[in-house]
Amino acid sequence: GAVVSQHPSWVICKSGTSVKIECRSLDFQATTMFWYRQFPKQSLMLMATSNEGSKATYEQGVEKDKFLINHASLTLSTLTVTSAHPEDSSFYICSAQQGIGNTIYFGEGSWLTVV
Amino acid sequence: AQSVTQLDSQVPVFEEAPVELRCNYSSSVSVYLFWYVQYPNQGLQLLLKYLSGSTLVKGINGFEAEFNKSQTSFHLRKPSVHISDTAEYFCAVSDKRTYKYIFGTGTRLKVLA
Repeated sequence: GAVVSQHPSWVICKSGTSVKIECRSLDFQATTMFWYRQFPKQSLMLMATSNEGSKATYEQGVEKDKFLINHASLTLSTLTVTSAHPEDSSFYICSAQQGIGNTIYFGEGSWLTVV
Repeated sequence: AQSVTQLDSQVPVFEEAPVELRCNYSSSVSVYLFWYVQYPNQGLQLLLKYLSGSTLVKGINGFEAEFNKSQTSFHLRKPSVHISDTAEYFCAVSDKRTYKYIFGTGTRLKVLA
């Protein structure tokens, strides 16, 4: 079946630095990718929707300058957390879809800890 | 706008007993409905989905769910649970037009020996 892979699975970074998380669709071309964050023991909150070759659409309340999303190819989207702070520590999950109406597949998630 | 309510934050159940995890939703437009399972420190795995057709949907690992339009519910059931079913379960709806997912707050199923 379709597989979506995230890298890294775990990352620790210092406060004030930037960190990049990759989301790859391994056996299909993802025209649309979604980024979520999940705080401990809470549900997933959609951060943004990215379509290949265009700017991401951010949900209300999500800082686009802080959470940079790039969807440069049909198999790769990246989320860069800029000037990270401890409150950005969270579980980030991406999902990918091959065209409207098709099943959406989720990645394994990436744990970010900012110290 | 859509919303999803999972009233039970935790459900303890003994092994081999049946279980039902409740999910209610509200939406002004037609939606697709999903159940996902999340094991500790892992991403989401699709259990089952309702897109159209038969209101009783069968998924993986022996789970099934029934779509009830009049009650706007999509409860998840399993007739006999195993220890390995211990996980977090999320109900979600997806706008048929935008495919944005709205997740419930999750139900932690804990299967006891």
